[in-house]
Order: sequence, then C-alpha cells, then structure tokens
Amino acid sequence: DSGVTQTPKHLITATGQRVTLRCSPRSGDLSVYWYQQSLDQGLQFLIQYYNGEERAKGNILERFSAQQFPDLHSELNLSSLELGDSALYFCASSVGRGQPQHFGDGTRLSIL
Amino acid sequence: DQQVKQNSPSLSVQEGRISILNCDYTNSMFDYFLWYKKYPAEGPTFLISISSIKDKNEDGRFTVFLNKSAKHLSLHIVPSQPGDSAVYFCAASRNFGNEKLTFGTGTRLTIIP
Repeated sequence: DSGVTQTPKHLITATGQRVTLRCSPRSGDLSVYWYQQSLDQGLQFLIQYYNGEERAKGNILERFSAQQFPDLHSELNLSSLELGDSALYFCASSVGRGQPQHFGDGTRLSIL
Repeated sequence: DQQVKQNSPSLSVQEGRISILNCDYTNSMFDYFLWYKKYPAEGPTFLISISSIKDKNEDGRFTVFLNKSAKHLSLHIVPSQPGDSAVYFCAASRNFGNEKLTFGTGTRLTIIP
C-alpha cells in the first residue's frame, strides 16, 4: 500500500461527457502529480501541484484541468471526452527533493 | 522525443540467477533516477533510486548502477525470485526528483521457476 488513494478505480462514460478523478496523497506529501498511461504507452506527465499551487504542466489537453485543495487532495477534471481519452490515470505524491514519487493504483477511464 | 529508453521489451531469467534491466537517457539535465515495478491493475511501486552524485545504490536484492558518461543505468536483481515477474519502468527527473518523472516504456521480466 503506497498510501496514495485514487477514486474511482473504474469509470465508464460516453463521448462528450465530463468526469472528475480524485486523489488523496500520502500524509505529509505536498506535491501531487498526475500521469496518463494510454494503451501500449509509457506514463506521460500531465500536471503537478505543490501545496495548492500549480507547479508544472506537461502534455495536458485544454479540455483537462486540475486543482489541489487546502487539505492537499487533488482532482483531475476531464471534459468533452473523446474515445482517445480512454486510459489509466495515475496520481503520485512526494515529499520533495531526493525522495521518490509514490503512486496510487490509478483510475481506468473507458469512453464508449 | 523519447528521452528515456528501455530497449528490451521483455526479459526471461531463471529463478536464482541475476536479472539485469537496462535503461538509457538522452537529457543531461536529469539528476535523479528511479526504478518502479508494476503489476497489472496496480500502480507503479517504487523500488530503488539513485542521484547523479552516486554511481551505485543498493537495497537488499536490488542494486542500481549509474554511468553518467554513457547516460546509462541498470537494475540488478540478485537472486531473482518468481515474485519479481512484473513490468519494470525506468524513470528520470531533474531537480533531484522535485519535478515530473519521464518514464521509459518498460521491460517485462519473467522469472522461470
């Protein structure tokens, strides 16, 4: 158990819809990262938050947004969903420099 | 641009022998490297890391070697056990891990009993 909790584990929805993925980081971790793993692809960085502030952005589509709340949990919002958005979405958290990121078990998003 | 490469998609090793997984990187700004193990339907599990100020780090059966001049790192597992069968991802970061991870595409390790 990494200590990072992601909900829901599975999400099935239709094109054009909007979903919210939730992540609770490990206790004490201020940084939260979101990654996407599409079929046969490695994990791709989407966005990083540190203590409520956006720190860095990767290949995140404009239809996607995220935020980190005062209690440090984070949400990833995906809107106007397309078939190609079907993927595993992972959240990771870390304390900071010199320490690894620890990952949750992911949310599997299926767009029908 | 694949900045972190794992050129072997799969590897089979006899139980009890050494498993060696390789990873190459191109970005000289990377200064923190990690190995993760992943089972199906689970998130990546952190195994071991190394910063660029070291060339070796050991934790039990796992040892990571870093060759900065060759931009190459490797993970040694000795002895290999059936429970080690999984997909292994190499990852790299800047700012000693305080930034995003860039992942390789993974190597599927199968330990043969």
